[in-house]
Amino acid sequence: GENVEQHPSTLSVQEGDSAVIKCTYSDSASNYFPWYKQELGKRPQLIIDIRSNVGEKKDQRIAVTLNKTAKHFSLHITETQPEDSAVYFCAASKGAAGNKLTFGGGTRVLVKP
Amino acid sequence: DSGVTQTPKHLITATGQRVTLRCSPRSGDLSVYWYQQSLDQGLQFLIQYYNGEERAKGNILERFSAQQFPDLHSELNLSSLELGDSALYFCASGVGSDTQYFGPGTRLTVL
Repeated sequence: GENVEQHPSTLSVQEGDSAVIKCTYSDSASNYFPWYKQELGKRPQLIIDIRSNVGEKKDQRIAVTLNKTAKHFSLHITETQPEDSAVYFCAASKGAAGNKLTFGGGTRVLVKP
Repeated sequence: DSGVTQTPKHLITATGQRVTLRCSPRSGDLSVYWYQQSLDQGLQFLIQYYNGEERAKGNILERFSAQQFPDLHSELNLSSLELGDSALYFCASGVGSDTQYFGPGTRLTVL
C-alpha cells in the first residue's frame, strides 16, 4: 500500500522567516495531495491541496509544489507568524480510485516571536 | 467549523467495555471516513462508507465495526476495549471526490 514519509518531524523558525516541509510517497497511482494543519486537541484542518495535473499551487502565504517524477511534494509557508505554530500533516490518496488518505507522520512547527 | 459533527467529545470507559461514536457529515456529503489518531501511530485510516455502503477498509480491528445510516450519519462501534484503544477518533466527510473535511473528533480514554 501507499507509504508517506514526512520531514522534518520538528521545525523551529523565527517569525517572518519561511518554513518548508517535505513529503515523499511510494504509490505512483496517488494523484491527490492535501495538507492539514492541526492545533493541539483540535481537528485536522485542510489548508491547501494539489492534484497530480498541477505542479504548484499558491494561497496567500502558503504554497505547495509537486514533483510526480520524484514522487515528492512540499509545503512552503512564507512570512511565518506565531499563529502558524501547529502540527502539519501531508497526505496522499488515489482520488476517485480509492480516496482514503494516507498521512505522513506530521511536522511540529514552532514560530518564535 | 467544517460542518462535520461528532459526539461525544470525550468518552472515558473501562477495559472490556463497548462504546459507540457518532458522526454526522456535511450537508450533501455522501462519504464518511473514520480515522484513529494515537501518539505512536499517527493518523490511521479505519474505514469508509459511501451512501450507506462500505467502500474501503484500512487496518481496522475485528473488534471495531461501523455503519452508515439512510440519513448518512455514521456510527463507529468499538468493543472489548483495551488500553491501547485510547486515542482521538475523527470522522471526515466528502462529496465523493477526494477532498475530506474533518470533524472535531472524539477523545476516547480507556482505563
